[in-house]
Amino acid sequence: GAVVSQHPSRVICKSGTSVKIECRSLDFQATTMFWYRQFPKKSLMLMATSNEGSKATYEQGVEKDKFLINHASLTLSTLTVTSAHPEDSSFYICSARQGPFQYFGPGTRLTVT
Amino acid sequence: AQSVTQLGSHVSVSEGALVLLRCNYSSSVPPYLFWYVQYPNQGLQLLLKYTSAATLVKGINGFEAEFKKSETSFHLTKPSAHMSDAAEYFCAVSEAGGTSYGKLTFGQGTILTVHP
Repeated sequence: GAVVSQHPSRVICKSGTSVKIECRSLDFQATTMFWYRQFPKKSLMLMATSNEGSKATYEQGVEKDKFLINHASLTLSTLTVTSAHPEDSSFYICSARQGPFQYFGPGTRLTVT
Repeated sequence: AQSVTQLGSHVSVSEGALVLLRCNYSSSVPPYLFWYVQYPNQGLQLLLKYTSAATLVKGINGFEAEFKKSETSFHLTKPSAHMSDAAEYFCAVSEAGGTSYGKLTFGQGTILTVHP
């Protein structure tokens, strides 16, 4: 149980376009999901906390207009990288909270050319 | 506030040798503690977790960790390393209650290399 999926696993887009990443909890409902960004050879950096039915809470230094988060249902949160630039290239990982525990998706590799 | 420090960004062992990855934490409330493993270009897989029950926690793939409150440590061990254990390992802490309930703080990660 407690499986989280992400789609797509890899995406390449051109500079200036927007990209949407989906995070789904497959066998449980999650009122809270988290979005992380991981730079090469670095730890996970929490970007935002996604709350079902309300606005996301962004960590300091994360541009909310750049990284749009929508948590429209108890099993789906989406992260949209708007007007992507090469510096947005990274590995994005989501997690879904069940009780006090987080379950992680497999990650999405975004490359902006 | 909570924080995690992993001592040693790189650890190298021989196949069959003991694996010891160090983690120290700080937390203002009773913590939950976790070890995750990450293989290249993959998400995080939970190895084990401490949730205030037994202080010695056994996880998958032969790993275990011991919660030592007096030392604020949660070191990860495995008696005999396998080549397949080569990966990056993250220690993480979350608060069992309070405003940051369920929110994880990660250590910097330790890359484990296993030599034949």
